[in-house]
Amino acid sequence: GNSVTQMEGPVTLSEEAFLTINCTYTATGYPSLFWYVQYPGEGLQLLLKATKADDKGSNKGFEATYRKETTSFHLEKGSVQVSDSAVYFCALDLSGNTPLVFGKGTRLSVIA
Amino acid sequence: DAGVTQSPTHLIKTRGQQVTLRCSPKSGHDTVSWYQQALGQGPQFIFQYYEEEERQRGNFPDRFSGHQFPNYSSELNVNALLLGDSALYLCASSPGQVRGETQYFGPGTRLLVL
Repeated sequence: GNSVTQMEGPVTLSEEAFLTINCTYTATGYPSLFWYVQYPGEGLQLLLKATKADDKGSNKGFEATYRKETTSFHLEKGSVQVSDSAVYFCALDLSGNTPLVFGKGTRLSVIA
Repeated sequence: DAGVTQSPTHLIKTRGQQVTLRCSPKSGHDTVSWYQQALGQGPQFIFQYYEEEERQRGNFPDRFSGHQFPNYSSELNVNALLLGDSALYLCASSPGQVRGETQYFGPGTRLLVL
C-alpha cells in the first residue's frame, strides 16, 4: 500500500539552527509529495509541494527535493525561528482520485 | 477570497449521540474531502465528495456518512458516537480530480465525546 514515514519527534532546536525532517514514502505509481504545517490549535497549511522527480519545492525558507531514487522528500531550513514551532506533516497524493496519505507528523520546537 | 470554512469549531457530545459537521469549500473548488485527526496522529482519510457523490472512502465504518450539496458545501454525519470518535475533523477542498492539485484545509472541528 501507499505510506509515508517521518522521523519521530519531538525535535527541539535553538533559534538559527539548521533543520532537517526526514520523510520517505512507499507508493504504487508516481506520487506528488507535500509538506503541510499545523500551528497550535489550527488546521493544516500547505508549506510546499513537488509533483515529479527532482522537483524542488520551496516556501518561507523551507525546501524539499523529490528524490525518486531514494523515495524521499526531506524538509530543510537553513535557519529556524521561534515562529517555526509547529507540527510538520509529509504527505503524498497519487492522483486526483486518491486521498492524501499523511505521515504521523513531527513536532518542532524552536527555543530562543 | 474566503478559504475553507468549517462549523462548529468545537463540539461536546455524549456516547450514542449523533453529530453533524459542516464545511464550505474554497471558492472555485468542487471536491471536498474529510479527514479525522486523532491526538498526536496524522490525518486519516474518511471520504471524498465530488459532483454530490461519494467518490472515495477510507477505512471508516458506516456510522460515518456524508453529503455534498449543489453549492459544493458538505456535511459529515457520525451516528452512535463512541469515545474513540473524539478527534479533530478536517475538511479539505480542491479544484477537481487532478493529480497534484493542492488540497486546502479548513481550521477543523474539534469533537469531544464523553
